[in-house]
Amino acid sequence: DTGVSQNPRHKITKRGQNVTFRCDPISEHNRLYWYRQTLGQGPEFLTYFQNEAQLEKSRLLSDRFSAERPKGSFSTLEIQRTEQGDSAMYLCASSGQGQETQYFGPGTRLLVL
Amino acid sequence: AQSVTQLDSHVSVSEGTPVLLRCNYSSSYSPSLFWYVQHPNKGLQLLLKYTSAATLVKGINGFEAEFKKSETSFHLTKPSAHMSDAAEYFCVVSDGANNLFFGTGTRLTVIP
Repeated sequence: DTGVSQNPRHKITKRGQNVTFRCDPISEHNRLYWYRQTLGQGPEFLTYFQNEAQLEKSRLLSDRFSAERPKGSFSTLEIQRTEQGDSAMYLCASSGQGQETQYFGPGTRLLVL
Repeated sequence: AQSVTQLDSHVSVSEGTPVLLRCNYSSSYSPSLFWYVQHPNKGLQLLLKYTSAATLVKGINGFEAEFKKSETSFHLTKPSAHMSDAAEYFCVVSDGANNLFFGTGTRLTVIP
């Protein structure tokens, strides 16, 4: 399968714990995006990488959130000191150079108890 | 600023009847517009996109959408609904700088 993959698919954690999610984009895509989707809403943009450079961050991305893409391939999204309000689906997408179309992974569903 | 408004949160149709999912957009320039579909426990899948070429855009699975600048609309249609079309549909606008802005979604139910 050459699509976008995300791991884990589900994560349950206790408030205050740290969690990390991984995204593997389509191999030839140099752009990678993270979105958050809460129940009943459309996805909201969090951050975007071109190769290894993080070029844009939404104000939704508080200082408890950090994303990396160290080698310009896979990316990780870490949430420190999780809060119940962080419960959501975290989606990753990728696109090729100069292409607007983004291809989405299946998401990681986070539940903070 | 770019935004989209999906006018219906839920739409129910009988199998074999036409589907209409409504979307209005707001953009300060000629927008790129998309429709994505999300099936339960699956990722978002691109149905179709408009990028200032033909105003009538054909997508996968028999869906199409028409860009109407005068009405600032980009409604999604399908002549005949199938049970497998039941899903959440999102209208999306791009800001031209890699950011996508999603509507709140329309849940389509297909009644057998």
